[in-house]
Amino acid sequence: EIVMTQSPATLSVSPGETATLSCRASESVSSYYIAWYQQKPGQAPRLLMYDASTRATDIPGRFSGSGSGTEFTLTISSLQSEDFAVYYCQHYKNWPPAFGQGTRVEI
Amino acid sequence: DVQLLESGGGLVQPGGSLRLSCAASGFTFSSHAMGWVRQAPGKGLEWVSALSGSGGFTYYTDSVRGRFTISRDTSTDTLYLQMNNLRAEDTAIYYCTKLGYGVNYPSDHWGQGTLVTVSS
Repeated sequence: EIVMTQSPATLSVSPGETATLSCRASESVSSYYIAWYQQKPGQAPRLLMYDASTRATDIPGRFSGSGSGTEFTLTISSLQSEDFAVYYCQHYKNWPPAFGQGTRVEI
Repeated sequence: DVQLLESGGGLVQPGGSLRLSCAASGFTFSSHAMGWVRQAPGKGLEWVSALSGSGGFTYYTDSVRGRFTISRDTSTDTLYLQMNNLRAEDTAIYYCTKLGYGVNYPSDHWGQGTLVTVSS
C-alpha cells in the first residue's frame, strides 16, 4: 500500500507570493498517477492537477505541478486570496488511491 | 454539466445501517468508475470504496470491507453505498466522486457530501 506524505503541514504566505507544496510517495508512482486537490472550508475537494503536471479544466495558470518517481511539487505563483485553502496530493496508481494528510496554505 | 447529488446521511446508532445514494447526471454514468471518499470531522480525505466502469469490480478500504457494499443502478444513474454494522469511527462526510474510465484515474468531479454520524 502506497503512503503519501505532504510537507509542510501549514504554509504561511502573503498574497502575491509563491507557495511550494511537497508530496512524497512511499514508492514510485511514475509521473502519471499523481493528482492535487484544493479544498476550501465547507466545500468538497476540487481537482487541480492530474498526471502530476496537467491542469484540470478551468484551473488558472498560476497553478503548476512537477515531479516524478516519489517526489512531487505543487507550485502556486502570485497567490490570490481565493487560493488560501487545504491542498491534498493523491496517487491513483493502484488501490487504495491514498491521499496525503494535506497542507494548509494560510495568510 | 456533471452533477453528483448525495443523500441518505443522518444520525444512526452504533451497529445500525444506512444507505447512501448519489444521483449522477451530465455524463455517461455506465462508462465511468465511481466511488466514495469520506472525511472525518477536522481530518483528511480517505477512500472508502470504488466501482469500476464496467461495474464488474469493487474495491474497499480494509476498515469497511465486509460491512459496506457499493453498487449502482444504470437505469437511474445512481450510485449506492450500503453501510452496515456502523461504528463511531465511520462518522464523516461522505463524498460521491466520478473517476475516469477506471479506478486508476483521478476524481474529476465531487458531490457536495452527506454527513453520517454514528453515535448513541
